[in-house]
Amino acid sequence: GAVVSQHPSWVICKSGTSVKIECRSLDFQATTMFWYRQFPKQSLMLMATSNEGSKATYEQGVEKDKFLINHASLTLSTLTVTSAHPEDSSFYICSASAGPHSGANVLTFGAGSRLTVL
Amino acid sequence: QKEVEQDPGPLSVPEGAIVSLNCTYSNSAFQYFMWYRQYSRKGPELLMYTYSSGNKEDGRFTAQVDKSSKYISLFIRDSQPSDSATYLCAMIEGAQKLVFGQGTRLTINP
Repeated sequence: GAVVSQHPSWVICKSGTSVKIECRSLDFQATTMFWYRQFPKQSLMLMATSNEGSKATYEQGVEKDKFLINHASLTLSTLTVTSAHPEDSSFYICSASAGPHSGANVLTFGAGSRLTVL
Repeated sequence: QKEVEQDPGPLSVPEGAIVSLNCTYSNSAFQYFMWYRQYSRKGPELLMYTYSSGNKEDGRFTAQVDKSSKYISLFIRDSQPSDSATYLCAMIEGAQKLVFGQGTRLTINP
């Protein structure tokens, strides 16, 4: 089946530094990938939609200059948290669609990346 | 009002019990309905997805959709300790943009 890989799975950084998270579709091409954020005991909140070769579409309230998204190829999207602060500590999850299943574009999720900002 | 409402639990049942998880929604434009399972500190994994009203069965899992009532359910039969996880319902309106429920934390006690 379709596999989405995320790296790193856990990162700790100092306040003010930038962190890059990678999301790769391993055995399929994904023109669209999605980035979610999940706080403890809460559901996933969509941050942005990443489109290969074009600018990402951000959800309301998500700062595009703080969360930089690059989708340079059909198998790789990156999320960079710039000038990270402790309130950015969260679980970041990406997802991608391997194509329609009986009409539905069912998403496959990565394992997530836990960011802790000290 | 949230687009998708899901009781966060926690829900704790003995091994072998039948588990019923539910979500309600307000947007009648939702077309596809999914159930994801998420273990602690892991990404969600798709369990089942359905389109039309009715039941869909896969092993011990049954997904049920009632579009007239805007209500979906996931039933787990013969529940196992390994089923302990957070279960998230999710829905799509059409453009791949998933809307998630809050997730229900389920614990199956041996």
